Amino acid sequence: DIQMTQSPSTLSASVGDRVTITCRASQSISSWLAWYQQKPGKAPKLLIYRAFILQSGVPSRFSGSGSGTEFTLTISSLQPDDFATYYCQQYNSYVPYTFGQGTKLQIK
Amino acid sequence: QLQLQESGPGLVKPSETLSLTCTVSDASISSSSYYWGWIRQPPGKGLEWIGSIYHSGSTYYNPSLKSRVTISVDTSKKQFSLKLSSVTAADTAVYYCARGCYEFWSGSYPGYYFDYWGQGTLVTVSS
Repeated sequence: DIQMTQSPSTLSASVGDRVTITCRASQSISSWLAWYQQKPGKAPKLLIYRAFILQSGVPSRFSGSGSGTEFTLTISSLQPDDFATYYCQQYNSYVPYTFGQGTKLQIK
Repeated sequence: QLQLQESGPGLVKPSETLSLTCTVSDASISSSSYYWGWIRQPPGKGLEWIGSIYHSGSTYYNPSLKSRVTISVDTSKKQFSLKLSSVTAADTAVYYCARGCYEFWSGSYPGYYFDYWGQGTLVTVSS
């Protein structure tokens, strides 16, 4: 399996802050990476696919970058609605599709 | 607006078979651009892909669950289903169905991300 490791596991920040979450793959996955946001009791919501393409309807303060084994999700200016848990998912190959362990973004 | 809705028992006894169905609304389950998948999340934990199916019936399973999983599709009813046999307490989780948006073919398998998810249903394995 391709292991996906996110850092940090927990992140404390304030409204207006710029935050970055990192996702590392145990082997190269090219740009086949998606980012999801999940709020308590809700299904994950797709934010970004192919490492950098913003899903329709997602605010432009979210951005993604990276390729190969290292990827980042950046929120340029945190809004109250952004406090949630974020997951990355690789879909480079069927070995199986795997998710990171999650990064909980909480209010400082 | 596409909607997916999971249905099935919320309580399953150990060693029995978990059965869930996902109904797709306002979209074609037979589109060539999409796969249809199941993902689960144990309470307080992360996400695990279980498997996916194409409208033709081609299936792709997580190797760690493959011996116990069967996914099927009924295009006339716009439904796809999950069966997980010989369940234990470790299978207690919220089960999500989701649409996989096709991006590429690796040579043996499709690559896709999940763009629409059902609300999820909690299945508890307990006697």
